[in-house]
Amino acid sequence: EDQVTQSPEALRLQEGESSSLNCSYTVSGLRGLFWYRQDPGKGPEFLFTLYSAGEEKEKERLKATLTKKESFLHITAPKPEDSATYLCAVGVKRDSWGKLQFGAGTQVVVTP
Amino acid sequence: DAGVTQSPTHLIKTRGQHVTLRCSPISGHKSVSWYQQVLGQGPQFIFQYYEKEERGRGNFPDRFSARQFPNYSSELNVNALLLGDSALYLCASSGRQGNTEAFFGQGTRLTVV
Repeated sequence: EDQVTQSPEALRLQEGESSSLNCSYTVSGLRGLFWYRQDPGKGPEFLFTLYSAGEEKEKERLKATLTKKESFLHITAPKPEDSATYLCAVGVKRDSWGKLQFGAGTQVVVTP
Repeated sequence: DAGVTQSPTHLIKTRGQHVTLRCSPISGHKSVSWYQQVLGQGPQFIFQYYEKEERGRGNFPDRFSARQFPNYSSELNVNALLLGDSALYLCASSGRQGNTEAFFGQGTRLTVV
């Protein structure tokens, strides 16, 4: 059975304190791994797509990496506006193209 | 360009009623997917439509149905509402048939009382 697990569930950081979020997955035939940011009461905002092990993507203070079993989202020198829930999702080759399987998310709070 | 738009933003319904949620994808996008997100959990896949045909269905009861129109907008219908249907319903559009980036709307918050 496909599984996507995110850890930790919640993370509290001081402004400037770098950290990493983990997304481990057990799927048969990864098509792609996706990272999203979600603010309370809003829809997820697309951040990155990773397709193969060893791939890395960066955007401002965020960097996503992918191995064969997990992905990391590194937050460097975070600011309070980085506070959000970060979701990872996988697309699996045997599924319809539009189906993404999401983890439960990591809630990040950055304090000044 | 406008992003994915959903209506209404909030809705309160009584158990047993029917509800219709609407979604307009990003201009030029032909794929629309629907997700249900319960508080504290990640979104769960309900349906995907591409070129007006159903291409995928998640593990939801037959009370849930959807369709896509010639202009690629979409409706999600839920019959015989249960308290457990209370959730944020999200629509996502993609530019082409594939697990490429999916862009989400702001969602419709449905409360069943």
